[in-house]
Amino acid sequence: GQNIDQPTEMTATEGAIVQINCTYQTSGFNGLFWYQQHAGEAPTFLSYNVLDGLEEKGRFSSFLSRSKGYSYLLLKELQMKDSASYLCAVRANDSSYKLIFGSGTRLLVRP
Amino acid sequence: GAGVSQSPRYKVTKRGQDVTLRCDPISSHATLYWYQQALGQGPEFLTYFNYEAQPDKSGLPSDRFSAERPEGSISTLTIQRTEQRDSAMYRCASSEGLGAKDEQFFGPGTRLTVL
Repeated sequence: GQNIDQPTEMTATEGAIVQINCTYQTSGFNGLFWYQQHAGEAPTFLSYNVLDGLEEKGRFSSFLSRSKGYSYLLLKELQMKDSASYLCAVRANDSSYKLIFGSGTRLLVRP
Repeated sequence: GAGVSQSPRYKVTKRGQDVTLRCDPISSHATLYWYQQALGQGPEFLTYFNYEAQPDKSGLPSDRFSAERPEGSISTLTIQRTEQRDSAMYRCASSEGLGAKDEQFFGPGTRLTVL
């Protein structure tokens, strides 16, 4: 089966750093995506990892370990507008381009 | 167009009726995806198109669900004989092609309520 796990909710303080973890068990692996979704809005792309290691993009970084089936999204210098759900998604094989999404982690940033 | 658009944004229907949802992808995008998203959950894959071909429809929950993209641009998702459990947000996304790292751009969704 295909399984993607993320914490349901996290709380952090403005200006701080937060790490959102994602573990996956899928029949194959052809890339991992992170999306941000504000309440009532569409998901928007944040990052993509297919090789092990860290990808940095401004305040956001994403890490992947394929051998451990593990990824994290790191958000630095948190801002109030970062309050949103963060969705981890895996492309499980290269014969279909569908994404398998986790349930998302709702992040609340407090002043 | 500038982004992915979907219509209608909201649809309320009675159990047993058929509904058709429309997706207009970004004009240069070859690939189009349909997802179902329940409140508080991540999107769940239904089907996708590469131009007019439909390589994977494994996520369609039953034969009441079907999708088309006859000219490789606009797509429709039809649900026949709707049931209350079909109530959800239906999201469409498009991407440039079938590159592994191609990001998907999501539309605003259609909120379907089946009474």
